[in-house]
Order: sequence, then C-alpha cells, then structure tokens
Amino acid sequence: DSGVTQTPKHLITATGQRVTLRCSPRSGDLSVYWYQQSLDQGLQFLIQYYNGEERAKGNILERFSAQQFPDLHSELNLSSLELGDSALYFCASSVSTAQNIQYFGAGTRLSVL
Amino acid sequence: AQKITQTQPGMFVQEKEAVTLDCTYDTSDQSYGLFWYKQPSSGEMIFLIYQGSYDEQNATEGRYSLNFQKARKSANLVISASQLGDSAMYFCAMREVHTGTASKLTFGTGTRLQVTL
Repeated sequence: DSGVTQTPKHLITATGQRVTLRCSPRSGDLSVYWYQQSLDQGLQFLIQYYNGEERAKGNILERFSAQQFPDLHSELNLSSLELGDSALYFCASSVSTAQNIQYFGAGTRLSVL
Repeated sequence: AQKITQTQPGMFVQEKEAVTLDCTYDTSDQSYGLFWYKQPSSGEMIFLIYQGSYDEQNATEGRYSLNFQKARKSANLVISASQLGDSAMYFCAMREVHTGTASKLTFGTGTRLQVTL
C-alpha cells in the first residue's frame, strides 16, 4: 500500500458527461501529480500541485482541470467527456526532497461509453 | 525534451534466474533522476528503485539493482532470483530536477516480463 488513496476505483459514464476523480496524498506529502495511462498514449503527465498551487503542467486538455485543497487532497475534473478519454488515471504524491520519489495510488479506471 | 526508450516490449525469464530490462534516456540536463516502477495486472504502479544522476554507486533495493551507465545514458534494471510474482509490466522513468518544487516524470513504453516455471 503506497499510502495514496484514489476514489473511485472504477467509473463508467457517457460521452458529454463530467466526472471528478479524487486523490488523498500520503501523510506529509505536499506535492500531488496526475497522470493518464491509455493504450495509445502510454503514461502521460497531466499536472502537478504543490501545497495548493499549480507547479507544472503537461499535455492536459482544456476540458480537464484540477485543484488541490487546503487539506492537500486533490481533485481532477474531466468534462465534456469523449470516448478517447477512457483511460487509467493515476494520482501520485511526493515529499519535496532531492530524490522526490513519486508514490502512486491504485488509479481510477474511467470508461466513457 | 526528455525521452525514455525501452526497446524490449516483452521478456521471458525462468524462475530463480536473473533478468535485465533495458532503458536508455535522453536529456540535456546535468541533474536528473531515474526510476523504475512495476505495474502488475491489477493496475497499480509500484515504485521499485531510484538513481540520481550524481550518484556514484549503482542503486540496489533487495533483489532489484540499477545498472547506471551515465556515459551511455542507460539505466537498466536487474532483477535477481526471479519469482512468479515478478510477472508484470515494468516502466523506466526520468525526472528533471527543476528549481523550486516543479517536477514531472517522463515514462518509457514499458517491458512486459513473464516469469516461467
């Protein structure tokens, strides 16, 4: 168990809908990262938050947004969903040390039908 | 831009044997970190081992070791005494060391390892 909690584990929804994925980082970790894993794109970095502020951004679609709350949990919001958004979405967290090892949650598997 | 290359889509190894999973990387940075993660069929991503670009010794964690050859830009994972539970997808990843607190991982395409009896 990495200590990173993601909910829900599975999500099935329809095109055009909006969903929210939730992540609780490991105790003491200030950074939260979101990644998308799909068959065609592989594992891709979406966005990073550190102590409530956005720190780094990857190829995150404009339909996607995220935030980190004062209690350090994070939410990834996906809107106007398309079939191609079906993927495994991971949250990871880290302490900002020199190694900065990212520990991953179990992921949320999103199926858009 | 950073790039990670894993040229072995799949590998087979017999139980109790050692196996090497290849990883090469490309970066113009002097300071970076290299990671290996394991993804079993259940889907979670499990951190295995870390190597910093300035570390002089190869990293080891139990049965895992990282064969770091900086001049060749390679960071191969060696698993000794393979076990059936090692069957999984293995990803090599690299992190640029940004100033401040910005950070991200760039992943390779992965190698699927199958351990046989």
